[in-house]
Formats: sequence, structure tokens, C-alpha cells
Amino acid sequence: GEDVEQSLFLSVREGDSSVINCTYTDSSSTYLYWYKQEPGAGLQLLTYIFSNMDMKQDQRLTVLLNKKDKHLSLRIADTQTGDSAIYFCAGLSGGYNKLIFGAGTRLAVHP
Amino acid sequence: DAGVTQSPTHLIKTRGQQVTLRCSPKSGHDTVSWYQQALGQGPQFIFQYYEEEERQRGNFPDRFSGHQFPNYSSELNVNALLLGDSALYLCASSLAFSAMGWDEQFFGPGTRLTVL
Repeated sequence: GEDVEQSLFLSVREGDSSVINCTYTDSSSTYLYWYKQEPGAGLQLLTYIFSNMDMKQDQRLTVLLNKKDKHLSLRIADTQTGDSAIYFCAGLSGGYNKLIFGAGTRLAVHP
Repeated sequence: DAGVTQSPTHLIKTRGQQVTLRCSPKSGHDTVSWYQQALGQGPQFIFQYYEEEERQRGNFPDRFSGHQFPNYSSELNVNALLLGDSALYLCASSLAFSAMGWDEQFFGPGTRLTVL
């Protein structure tokens, strides 16, 4: 079935890089996404990667996709306190834009 | 552009009651999806509405129903509320057909439902 798994918590020092990992089971997912959720807010799309790509870079964000291992990662360079939030990995499942989310990784950035 | 709006922000109900949540999509969007996010979990897909019809449904019981209006706004109804229905309910809007081949789902801030 469809499943997305993430590590639950990551703590980094301000200025360091953060790497959030995700594994997914649905190999038919055409797009894979990273969403950010801040307290009391909805989900904000950070970046996405098409399934035929290995890497995508967008300013401080780098997404790596290993299709063989069904592993997705999000690297945030020069992590700031404003990056503290919950990060969700999601895959596009089947048709009609249905998203399957992981449980989320809580990123804590400390000085 | 107000983006996706949801009402109410918070809601407290008791077991057995019924609740209606509302969503207005982002301007220009014609598709509305509903997700349930339990505490400490990722959002789970409930269903999606397009052209006033439910066109895809997740693994939720019939107690969960919805509606889409001609102006593309949508309602989520939950009957016979259970304690386990306590969650953040997120609405997301998108375009059914996009020149990009896919379309970003824009999420609203959610409605926090507490069932006592």
C-alpha cells in the first residue's frame, strides 16, 4: 500500500545544515513534495521533485531522490531559527492530486 | 488574493453530535480536497471535490461527507462524532487541469475540532 515514513525529530545548531529524510513505498508517485508547517498554520509547499530527477536545488534547499531505495531527502543549508517547524514529505498518489503524507519531522534550531 | 480560507477556526463538540466545516478555495481554483491531521501525525486524505462531485475518497467512513457548491467552495460534514475525530481539518484547493501537468495544492490554516 501507500506509505511514507520520516524520522520524527531533528535538532541542529543555527548556521549548520539540516538533512531530513523520508522513505516511500509507492513507486508510482510522479511527484514528491516537501511541506513546512509552522504552529497554528496550514501547510506551505517548500519544494517538489519530479520522479525522473535525482536532485533539485532551490536557494538554500536541496532535494535528493534515490528511486532505487525509494529515499527522499531535504537539505537546508545555513539553517536559521525561522526554519524551526514540522516538515512533511508527501507523494502524489494515483490520479487527482491525492497526497500521501509522512508523520512529519520536527526541526528544532538552537543558537 | 485571500488564499484558502476555512471556518470556523476552532470548534468544540460532544460525542454523537454533527459538525459542518467550511472552505473557500483560492481564487481561480476549481478543486477542493479535505485532509484530517490528528495530533502528531501527517495529514490524511479524506476526499476531493471537483465539479460539485466527489471524485476520489480516502479510507474514511460514511460519517464523513462533503459538498461542493457552484462557486467551488466546499463543506465537510461529520456525523455521529467520536472522540477520535478530534483533529485539525485542512482544506486544500488546486486546479483540476494545469498547463504544468501538475498543480500545487494550496492549504488553508485548518479548523481545529475537539470532540469531548
